[in-house]
Amino acid sequence: ETGVTQSPTHLIKTRGQQVTLRCSSQSGHNTVSWYQQALGQGPQFIFQYYREEENGRGNFPPRFSGLQFPNYSSELNVNALELDDSALYLCASSPLAGVTGELFFGEGSRLTVL
Amino acid sequence: DAKTTQPTSMDCAEGRAANLPCNHSTISGNEYVYWYRQIHSQGPQYIIHGLKNNETNEMASLIITEDRKSSTLILPHATLRDTAVYYCIVRLLNSGNTPLVFGKGTRLSVIA
Repeated sequence: ETGVTQSPTHLIKTRGQQVTLRCSSQSGHNTVSWYQQALGQGPQFIFQYYREEENGRGNFPPRFSGLQFPNYSSELNVNALELDDSALYLCASSPLAGVTGELFFGEGSRLTVL
Repeated sequence: DAKTTQPTSMDCAEGRAANLPCNHSTISGNEYVYWYRQIHSQGPQYIIHGLKNNETNEMASLIITEDRKSSTLILPHATLRDTAVYYCIVRLLNSGNTPLVFGKGTRLSVIA
C-alpha cells in the first residue's frame, strides 16, 4: 500500500512568484486536505477536497487555491507569494467518513520565499 | 483556535513511561480526543483517539477523565525514537468536513 507522497520536497521562490505543490493520496482515499506549518507552530488547515470539489476551507486568502483530480491526487497553488508563505506544506488523505477519522500525512513540501 | 492546552515541553528517561497531559475543558459531548505526533522533518502521525473510555493500542494508551475535561497520553516504555512533538486535538468523528485544529503541542525529549 503506497502512502501519501508529496513533491517537490524543497523549493525556493521569490516574492511575487507562483508555486504549485503536488500530492498523491494513499490508495483508496478520496479526500485530500492541505495544511500549512510555519516554523515552531502546529499545522494550520488550508482546505479540503472531496470528489474534485473543495468542501472546507480555513482562514487563507483566495491566492491559495487547489485542485483534485479523478485519481484523487491534488495540487496546491499559491499565487503572488509573500515572505510569510515560507512554511512546510503538508498534504493528508483519508476516506471521507473513515472508521477512525485518521488522516494520513505526507512528509511535506518545504517552501522558502525570498 | 485549538480547544486544547498542553505543556510546551517535557523530558522522559529512556525506558520509562511518558505521560503527556492535555486539557480540553470546553469539549463537546460528540467530540473525540485525538493524539498525533510529529517527528522532526516528517508529517504528523496518528497515535490514538477516544471518546470517553480509556483506549490502548500498540503505540500508546489514552486515559480520559470521567468529566472528559482532560486526558493523558501514555507511552509505556519511551524510546529515543519517541522524541517528537505530540499534539492533542478534539474533533468530531465521521464529520468529513471537520479539519484537525492543531495547537503548538508538547515537545517530548526522550533522554538516554
